[in-house]
Amino acid sequence: QKEVEQNSGPLSVPEGAIASLNCTYSDRGSQSFFWYRQYSGKSPELIMFIYSNGDKEDGRFTAQLNKASQYVSLLIRDSQPSDSATYLCAASFGNEKLTFGTGTRLTIIP
Amino acid sequence: DAGVIQSPRHEVTEMGQEVTLRCKPISGHNSLFWYRQTMMRGLELLIYFNNNVPIDDSGMPEDRFSAKMPNASFSTLKIQPSEPRDSAVYFCASSDGQGVTDTQYFGPGTRLTVL
Repeated sequence: QKEVEQNSGPLSVPEGAIASLNCTYSDRGSQSFFWYRQYSGKSPELIMFIYSNGDKEDGRFTAQLNKASQYVSLLIRDSQPSDSATYLCAASFGNEKLTFGTGTRLTIIP
Repeated sequence: DAGVIQSPRHEVTEMGQEVTLRCKPISGHNSLFWYRQTMMRGLELLIYFNNNVPIDDSGMPEDRFSAKMPNASFSTLKIQPSEPRDSAVYFCASSDGQGVTDTQYFGPGTRLTVL
């Protein structure tokens, strides 16, 4: 059973600080990893994906992948109230099929 | 440019009734995914199609669930008979289908309540 685990939170971060979201996965065959953001009552939207070890930056967002530790993280710099949402981690095991974690609820405190 | 379209947005039905959810993917996308989201289990993939062909239906919970994709612009997910435990938000998503890092674009979802 391929699993993706996330801390459900809620995670509260002061505005302007760095929010750190973590995700672990069970299958070493996992190839690609995705972070989706989901606002309450809305559908998930892709923030970024990563498939190579190391860091990948996109604006205020940085994804980090450590395949040896089976660990993926998402850092949000200069957190804004608009970043308050549930963040879903997902893994692909070599095809288009994604396995999602249950999500971490993030609240940015003004 | 229209995104993924789902209908209905909300459905309330009684146990035992047939429910049909509809999805129109983004034009030109050749992969389509049906997901179910609940508080307890999160977002689960039910089935996905590539070029209208079902590729993986291992997430379909039981025979009461069926999905079809008769053409590139339309798909249905049917539950017959429905049960209260089927209450969830059902999302349809589509992608270019060109590789494992393709972005999946989600529709607005159908919130299903089975009484």
